[in-house]
Amino acid sequence: QSVLTQPPSASETPGQRVTISCSGSSSNIGSNTVNWYQQLPGTAPKLLIYGGNQRPSGVPDRFSGSKSGTSASLAISGLQSEDEADYYCAAWDDDLIGVVFGGGTKVTVL
Amino acid sequence: QVQLQESGPGLVKPSETLSLTCTVSGGSISSYYWSWIRQPPGKGLEWVGYIYDSGSTTYNPSLKSRVSISVDMSKNQFSLKLSSVSAADTAVYYCARREWDILTGYRYFDHWGQGTLVTVSS
Repeated sequence: QSVLTQPPSASETPGQRVTISCSGSSSNIGSNTVNWYQQLPGTAPKLLIYGGNQRPSGVPDRFSGSKSGTSASLAISGLQSEDEADYYCAAWDDDLIGVVFGGGTKVTVL
Repeated sequence: QVQLQESGPGLVKPSETLSLTCTVSGGSISSYYWSWIRQPPGKGLEWVGYIYDSGSTTYNPSLKSRVSISVDMSKNQFSLKLSSVSAADTAVYYCARREWDILTGYRYFDHWGQGTLVTVSS
């Protein structure tokens, strides 16, 4: 049981927009920034979004992050086949005094 | 470009101690936080703990009694020890660099190793 809650799966056709939610609490998302990681099949996770809505160099602007209260979202616009991956949200938790992850969302491009 | 590489036994017997090392290349281990994160087969990510170059550590409360992370600045390496392992500790173990931007307060894992599978079995 992950501290942050994500839907297990999401799917959309190429070119469309898909949104992944990440629900937490006041001790994690409510008081700290959220990071998102992309894990392509058989590879290590890769930083996708940090500080809630910042993209590292090389990450396309099709990926965007947002937060409202104790929930965060990752949006992928102009969905492409290479976006098929597992996506994880993460945040610092002030009560647990550690990093907490969501359970991951598998994105399928139909 | 910073690169991380995990190394260590791929098979550990139940009740024994799992030991892994992460070698950092392309940059200094100084002034950063270095972490271990694991992923059981077919499951999500779990943060294990991290160490700063000074040696100060923070561990996942659920693993704290069994975990120890250390750093060897001379070799640009940091290591993980997890004692009294069971089948539940079978996972791919990743080492990662945790960036902490003092100006913005942003904290995130920006560089990851490729991961190493550790199986706990007799």
